[in-house]
Amino acid sequence: SQTIHQWPATLVQPVGSPLSLECTVEGTSNPNLYWYRQAAGRGLQLLFYSVGIGQISSEVPQNLSASRPQDRQFILSSKKLLLSDSGFYLCAWGGGSQPQHFGDGTRLSIL
Amino acid sequence: GESVGLHLPTLSVQEGDNSIINCAYSNSASDYFIWYKQESGKGPQFIIDIRSNMDKRQGQRVTVLLNKTVKHLSLQIAATQPGDSAVYFCAERADDYKLSFGAGTTVTVRA
Repeated sequence: SQTIHQWPATLVQPVGSPLSLECTVEGTSNPNLYWYRQAAGRGLQLLFYSVGIGQISSEVPQNLSASRPQDRQFILSSKKLLLSDSGFYLCAWGGGSQPQHFGDGTRLSIL
Repeated sequence: GESVGLHLPTLSVQEGDNSIINCAYSNSASDYFIWYKQESGKGPQFIIDIRSNMDKRQGQRVTVLLNKTVKHLSLQIAATQPGDSAVYFCAERADDYKLSFGAGTTVTVRA
């Protein structure tokens, strides 16, 4: 069966520090991969998606970037975090005419 | 703006009663819809999906209804239990890769 892992579960970072969140998927090949951000009490905002290694589509202009160095690895990064980068970050795989399946997210707090 | 939206942001239901969560969508060309359940601090969990060539689909204690004429989607939960308390999101396929999510309905089950 397919599984998706995100880490860390929570992260507290100072403004201006770098960020790296990692997501890996097991049990499937060449999945579509997604990064979302969810503000408290709100819906999901798509940040990036990838349909293959090295292929990244950005949905909104922002302070973040994404990379896909391996088939089942998706990384969300920032060189300098802003206060507005706080939120709940979710990775997902799937898509198209199939459901997207989500990890358990990373709660990011910027101080 | 969001093409998928929920009619009510909150729903309070007595344990044992049936719950109905509604969702409106604006893209008449949408052909695939999904319901997710999100518990506090976790990622959204797939509940059930439906394609546009169907108007009803049943799962375990859940039924999704699709009315393409009025672009309306609903999720019915039978015999609601305390474990059903969560935020419920509907989503529609936006293109070959992406989903468009609504803002979510918070369901609270009263004992």
